[in-house]
Amino acid sequence: ETGVTQSPTHLIKTRGQQVTLRCSSQSGHNTVSWYQQALGQGPQFIFQYYREEENGRGNFPPRFSGLQFPNYSSELNVNALELDDSALYLCASSPVAGGPDTQYFGPGTRLTVL
Amino acid sequence: KQEVTQIPAALSVPEGENLVLNCSFTDSAIYNLQWFRQDPGKGLTSLLLIQSSQREQTSGRLNASLDKSSGRSTLYIAASQPGDSATYLCAVRADSNYQLIWGAGTKLIIKP
Repeated sequence: ETGVTQSPTHLIKTRGQQVTLRCSSQSGHNTVSWYQQALGQGPQFIFQYYREEENGRGNFPPRFSGLQFPNYSSELNVNALELDDSALYLCASSPVAGGPDTQYFGPGTRLTVL
Repeated sequence: KQEVTQIPAALSVPEGENLVLNCSFTDSAIYNLQWFRQDPGKGLTSLLLIQSSQREQTSGRLNASLDKSSGRSTLYIAASQPGDSATYLCAVRADSNYQLIWGAGTKLIIKP
């Protein structure tokens, strides 16, 4: 049990809609990263937030955006959903003392876009 | 551009066997390499982290090796058990940023 939770577990949306995925980290974890994992593939880095500011981004378009809140929760927002956005979305948080290689992953949100 | 490949994509072995999972990467300028385990509905768990200056790391029945010059890492699992059944992924971190580049994983099934 990592102490990182994600909601919802599963979600079905239609193309063109918007979606918000949520992640709750442990107290003191001030860095959160979001990943997209397509079926049969490894995770791809979307972006990372540190102290409520984005401080790194992968090769994802601006319709993928995020927020991090002072209470160690965060959100991933995706606008104008496309069929290829169907994937498992993972968040991972890092404690202050652990450094960037100490990441605790949540169980993920499975998003299906029809 | 760094690319990480894992072969085979799937592996099924009888309980008790020793086995090796492979990971290769195209750019040897890595900061470190990690092996993860992924169980359905439970997210990812880090198993072993090897810094670029290290050759191997061990944890219990697991041993991971790193050969930067050849762009390869292996994960050795001794005396496999049904509970080892999971997908195993490797990920490398480049020198310049914290972004992890992942392989697609090897799905391991240990038959009782």
